[in-house]
Amino acid sequence: DVVLTQSPLSLPVTLGQPASISCRSSESLLHRDENTYVNWFQQRPGQSPRRLIYKVSDRGSGVPDRFSGSGSGTNFTLVISRVEAEDVGVYYCMQGTHWPWTFGQGTSVEI
Amino acid sequence: EMQLVESGGALVQPGESLRLSCRGSGFTFSTFWMNWVRQGPGKGLEWVASINQDGSETYYADSVRGRFSISRDNTDKSLSLLMDSLRGEDTAIYYCVRGWHCATWGQGTPVTVSS
Repeated sequence: DVVLTQSPLSLPVTLGQPASISCRSSESLLHRDENTYVNWFQQRPGQSPRRLIYKVSDRGSGVPDRFSGSGSGTNFTLVISRVEAEDVGVYYCMQGTHWPWTFGQGTSVEI
Repeated sequence: EMQLVESGGALVQPGESLRLSCRGSGFTFSTFWMNWVRQGPGKGLEWVASINQDGSETYYADSVRGRFSISRDNTDKSLSLLMDSLRGEDTAIYYCVRGWHCATWGQGTPVTVSS
C-alpha cells in the first residue's frame, strides 16, 4: 500500500502569516492516465472533512484562494498564504492514484 | 445544494451485522463514483470502500474485504454499506463521500461495536 507521510504533525501558526504542510508518498502518484490524484482536506473541530484541493493543485468550489497545492511524483505541499482564525483544524492529504486509497496521518494546525 | 445524508449507525455487539445507508441530493447521483470513509475515535481518516457509477466495480480496504459490501441504487439515489462480522476496531464514524475527487462529505453516522 502507498504510505503518505505528513510533516509536521503539529503546526503552530501566527495569524496573517503563511503555513506549509508537506505530504510525501512511498511511491509515485502519477496515474497511467497522466493525472496525479492527490487531495487535501480540512477537518475543523467537530465537523466533517471538507475537500480543499484535488489533483494536486485544483482548488475546490468555494475554497478561499489563500489555500494552494503543489507538487509532483512523491512530494506534495499545501500552503496557506495568510492564516486566518477559521483555519484551525486538522489537515489530511490523500492519494486516489493507487488502490487502496490512503490518507496521511493528519497535521494539526493551531494558533 | 449537493448533500449526502447517512443513516443506520448503531451500537452492536461483536460478530453482528449492520447496514449503513446514504441518500444523495442536489446532483446527478448516477454519474459519480461513491465512497465510504471512516474515522475511529480520536483517529485519522481511513478509506473503506468505493463503487463506480453503475456498480460494476467495487474496491475495499484490506481491513474490511470479505466482511463489508458496498452497493448502490441509482434509481433511489442511495449508497449502502453492509457490514458483517463486526469487530471492535470497526468502531468509527462512517462518512459517505461523493466522487473520485471526494468533493462532498456527509455528516457521518456513528457505529460502535462493543459487548
